[in-house]
Amino acid sequence: IAGITQAPTSQILAAGRRMTLRCTQDMRHNAMYWYRQDLGLGLRLIHYSNTAGTTGKGEVPDGYSVSRANTDDFPLTLASAVPSQTSVYFCASSDSSLNTGELFFGEGSRLTVL
Amino acid sequence: GQNIDQPTEMTATEGAIVQINCTYQTSGFNGLFWYQQHAGEAPTFLSYNVLDGLEEKGRFSSFLSRSKGYSYLLLKELQMKDSASYLCAGVDSNYQLIWGAGTKLIIKP
Repeated sequence: IAGITQAPTSQILAAGRRMTLRCTQDMRHNAMYWYRQDLGLGLRLIHYSNTAGTTGKGEVPDGYSVSRANTDDFPLTLASAVPSQTSVYFCASSDSSLNTGELFFGEGSRLTVL
Repeated sequence: GQNIDQPTEMTATEGAIVQINCTYQTSGFNGLFWYQQHAGEAPTFLSYNVLDGLEEKGRFSSFLSRSKGYSYLLLKELQMKDSASYLCAGVDSNYQLIWGAGTKLIIKP
């Protein structure tokens, strides 16, 4: 089934630990995004990539890094997790890098940092 | 600053009609999206408006007025499965998506 897959679905993590959230899409979309969603707030963009080999910072990039070695994969890494990074993380992709096309979201990764 | 405003929560009755409003203040405008998000799930695309007017898609319709910075999502013949959050997002002049906090719609039998 074509789509976008995230892993893990859920994770509890000790503060200070390193964590990588994985994201893979098989729709050959050029643009990929990482969002976090917190109660009472809109989706906030962490990092994005308009095409393989390029990445950019979103609204809340501090404490996070990404890479885009190929079209399909877009992992998000927390180098040293802090409790404020407790959130639900969504990976998304689109065939439009201008945000004028439909976003396809993964099922989300619920991360708790203690 | 840029802002998207939508009501936090609305309640409606099964079989009825509900209108969810969204006002936006963005630097420039390149369209407005509506997404549906069921609790614990990912957002899914509903509509994208870039021109003024009403676009109908089955039981769901989306309206845009660029002069008023205003959009609404109209849901007809409400079903219990329509209980979800509805996210409004505007595209600014730099083609950045600005998201509202979402409207939680509760459907009562």
